Amino acid sequence: TQLLEQSPQFLSIQEGENLTVYCNSSSVFSSLQWYRQEPGEGPVLLVTVVTGGEVKKLKRLTFQFGDARKDSSLHITAAQPGDTGLYLCAGGANAGGTSYGKLTFGQGTILTVHP
Amino acid sequence: NAGVTQTPKFQVLKTGQSMTLQCAQDMNHNSMYWYRQDPGMGLRLIYYSASEGTTDKGEVPNGYNVSRLNKREFSLRLESAAPSQTSVYFCASSDYWGEYQPQHFGDGTRLSIL
Repeated sequence: TQLLEQSPQFLSIQEGENLTVYCNSSSVFSSLQWYRQEPGEGPVLLVTVVTGGEVKKLKRLTFQFGDARKDSSLHITAAQPGDTGLYLCAGGANAGGTSYGKLTFGQGTILTVHP
Repeated sequence: NAGVTQTPKFQVLKTGQSMTLQCAQDMNHNSMYWYRQDPGMGLRLIYYSASEGTTDKGEVPNGYNVSRLNKREFSLRLESAAPSQTSVYFCASSDYWGEYQPQHFGDGTRLSIL
């Protein structure tokens, strides 16, 4: 069974601060997706990374896939109250395994950005 | 554009009652999924349908059944509800079955079982 551990589980910061959320596993994933979920809504995809060492930027958000494709991080620069939400990482499995086609989700990081 | 629509949005059941959660997508996606979300546990896959006409068990299928009614619709049934099934249920869809596929989620059904 593939597992993804996210840390921290809770993050409460002031507007303008920087933060990093981590997503770690002992398993190799073929891809890593990051989702953001707001209260009362479903998760919405932010980014997909597929190559070890890959870095993608989305405005103030920077996503990195580890070289060994076992871990990923999400860095937010100058956080704003609009960044508040639940951030979920999800790993995709390689073809040939029983988990192929399915996503394994981390338990999530609840981010609160105070004005 | 609606995307993935789930009904109902809220439901309260008594232990032992049955109900069906409905899900429909208008994106012509081939694959559909049902998840449950509990505090501190992320999203756990209950059942999925890789393509129209097929369904398979996910990580936590016990106590649930599904029907892929057609390409658009995928329903989840609780035959005899138990308090442990109190959760938020999400339906999702993706263009096709495979790696790298982003999933599009509905807004969830909040289910309480007393």
